Amino acid sequence: DAGVIQSPRHEVTEMGQEVTLRCKPISGHDYLFWYRQTMMRGLELLIYFNNNVPIDDSGMPEDRFSAKMPNASFSTLKIQPSEPRDSAVYFCASSPAGLAAIQETQYFGPGTRLLVL
Amino acid sequence: AQSVTQLGSHVSVSEGALVLLRCNYSSSVPPYLFWYVQYPNQGLQLLLKYTTGATLVKGINGFEAEFKKSETSFHLTKPSAHMSDAAEYFCAVSVLGNQFYFGTGTSLTVIP
Repeated sequence: DAGVIQSPRHEVTEMGQEVTLRCKPISGHDYLFWYRQTMMRGLELLIYFNNNVPIDDSGMPEDRFSAKMPNASFSTLKIQPSEPRDSAVYFCASSPAGLAAIQETQYFGPGTRLLVL
Repeated sequence: AQSVTQLGSHVSVSEGALVLLRCNYSSSVPPYLFWYVQYPNQGLQLLLKYTTGATLVKGINGFEAEFKKSETSFHLTKPSAHMSDAAEYFCAVSVLGNQFYFGTGTSLTVIP
């Protein structure tokens, strides 16, 4: 299995521009997670999906952030408009449902390093 | 409310010395506990996890952790550090209701 795939790996953009991050989870996994990692705040869970349905988006920082999962093999995280404080590494992770999602290992992608100038 | 505390954002050990990374959690319900490792410019990968059963859990690369309910701890240890163990380590907790929490991470440096 190729693992969780994220694109792009690096993104540099200017303040005010729209940014779209993409994720392909591991085939057969029912859960998909989006995280943000910064030096100041560590690893933060932004949102997660179960069977393509958003379950908890309480970690999404503000309305400029949105996430979708149109099918089981693809998800996007969009920032519009972007701001310098959004600069971070964004990780996507997936996990199988198993007995309960909370017992399952999350498999992380390599991350997208975003820099907003 | 649930939370995860990792004591010591930076830990340095000599090669061959004991590695001890501390993790304490706060949870009103039985938690599931995880340790993940992150190498530079990579995503996190699972080292080990505790769900049920034996409280001493063995993971990859010679790491192990012990769930101590009375101390609400899940410290990570390795008897002998190797240079390749230098990385960022994250403790994580999940609880009923599908809630997931990560600690702020501990950066491990191994001194030759």
